[in-house]
Amino acid sequence: NAGVTQTPKFRILKIGQSMTLQCTQDMNHNYMYWYRQDPGMGLKLIYYSVGAGITDKGEVPNGYNVSRSTTEDFPLRLELAAPSQTSVYFCASSHPTNEQYFGPGTRLTVT
Amino acid sequence: GESVGLHLPTLSVQEGDNSIINCAYSNSASDYFIWYKQESGKGPQFIIDIRSNMDKRQGQRVTVLLNKTVKHLSLQIAATQPGDSAVYFCAEASSGNTGKLIFGQGTTLQVKP
Repeated sequence: NAGVTQTPKFRILKIGQSMTLQCTQDMNHNYMYWYRQDPGMGLKLIYYSVGAGITDKGEVPNGYNVSRSTTEDFPLRLELAAPSQTSVYFCASSHPTNEQYFGPGTRLTVT
Repeated sequence: GESVGLHLPTLSVQEGDNSIINCAYSNSASDYFIWYKQESGKGPQFIIDIRSNMDKRQGQRVTVLLNKTVKHLSLQIAATQPGDSAVYFCAEASSGNTGKLIFGQGTTLQVKP
């Protein structure tokens, strides 16, 4: 099992550019999540999904979009990058009401 | 609103000593709590969890204590090792069955050789 994988590991965007952060899990988890982590802070939930075709907003969804067409994949889309979106992004997956398994993260800088 | 916080931003201990990391939560309806360890440049790694029907749970060198009366959670690490140096987060499960976690800001554990 590779667990949760994320690509890319690092990315620098210019203001106004768009990109998709990829997340894949091979544990057959129905639940998947996207978090952002700002320096010295905890994780904040952006979006989550309880199954293919079902997504919902978390605590900080503005500026992001998600889709969930398969159980394995949960991409996060940034449409118009802003400096405030400079952060480390983590994807996670879980079975219902169990611990979440995290990917290695994507470090994004918007300049 | 819901929030999870940690009492100390940094904890420094001597190698071989026991470490205690504390966490306060505010939502008395939360029924699932997790401790994660995050090493520099990596994603959070599961350490141990506890459900609200328990007061204590032990793992390998780690123990989690839950005091629902004062809404307090602690992580005890026995015989702390240099490899334990990391940021530790507590997280609580929000209500419902969506699995959403609310994370605290984290405590940095520094182990002195």
